[in-house]
Amino acid sequence: EAQVTQNPRYLITVTGKKLTVTCSQNMNHEYMSWYRQDPGLGLRQIYYSMNVEVTDKGDVPEGYKVSRKEKRNFPLILESPSPNQTSLYFCASQLRAMGVSLSTDTQYFGPGTRLTVL
Amino acid sequence: AQKITQTQPGMFVQEKEAVTLDCTYDTSDQSYGLFWYKQPSSGEMIFLIYQGSYDEQNATEGRYSLNFQKARKSANLVISASQLGDSAMYFCAMREGNNAGNMLTFGGGTRLMVKP
Repeated sequence: EAQVTQNPRYLITVTGKKLTVTCSQNMNHEYMSWYRQDPGLGLRQIYYSMNVEVTDKGDVPEGYKVSRKEKRNFPLILESPSPNQTSLYFCASQLRAMGVSLSTDTQYFGPGTRLTVL
Repeated sequence: AQKITQTQPGMFVQEKEAVTLDCTYDTSDQSYGLFWYKQPSSGEMIFLIYQGSYDEQNATEGRYSLNFQKARKSANLVISASQLGDSAMYFCAMREGNNAGNMLTFGGGTRLMVKP
C-alpha cells in the first residue's frame, strides 16, 4: 500500500531533550516536506527536500533540523525542544519536485505526530 | 492579503444532501494547483481532489467535485450525497507555480457536520 508513515504518532517530552520524528514514504517520491499545524495558524511549512541531499528551509525552520540521506526517509530533528514546539506535525511527499499536474503535484500526508513539550 | 480564504468556519448538512464548501484564492501566477484535504477528528490529512490552473474541466473524484471558476478565483468543493463519515475539517490549499519550495498554502478550514 502506497503511504507516508510517521513515528511516533504521539510524544510527550520535556524541554531540551533531543528527539527525532521519522518519516518514510514507499512511493519513490522525490519531494518531501514537514509542516506543523497550530490552532489559528493553519499549516506552516518547516523544511522541505527536493531530492536526496537537497534540503531547504520553509516558513518556520527555527529550532528544527532535517536530513535526506535516502530518498524514502526524511526525519525531523528537534535538538533542544521547547514548549512553543508543541504542535501537530505532518510529513508530506510528492512525486516530482516540480510540475503542475495531478500526478506530480499532489502532496500526500502522513498520519501526523502530536508532540507535547513540557 | 490571505492567499486562501474559506469563509465558512462551520456548516451543517443533512445526511444524503449535497453541500458546497467555499474557497477563494489569490495569486498572480498563471500556473498553480488547487487542492482539497479532509481532516477527520483523528487528525490525519486526507487528499480529496486536485485542480490544475490549466485544466479546463472541473475535477471530480467519486462524490467530490470541484467547481473551478478561474476568473472569480474560486475553487469550491461540492460533496454530493453527504454521509455521516464526511463530518470533518476541510481545507482548501494552493501551490503556486513559482514556489520553489512546493509549499502548500492552506486556508483556515471549514468544519462540516453531517446530521443524521
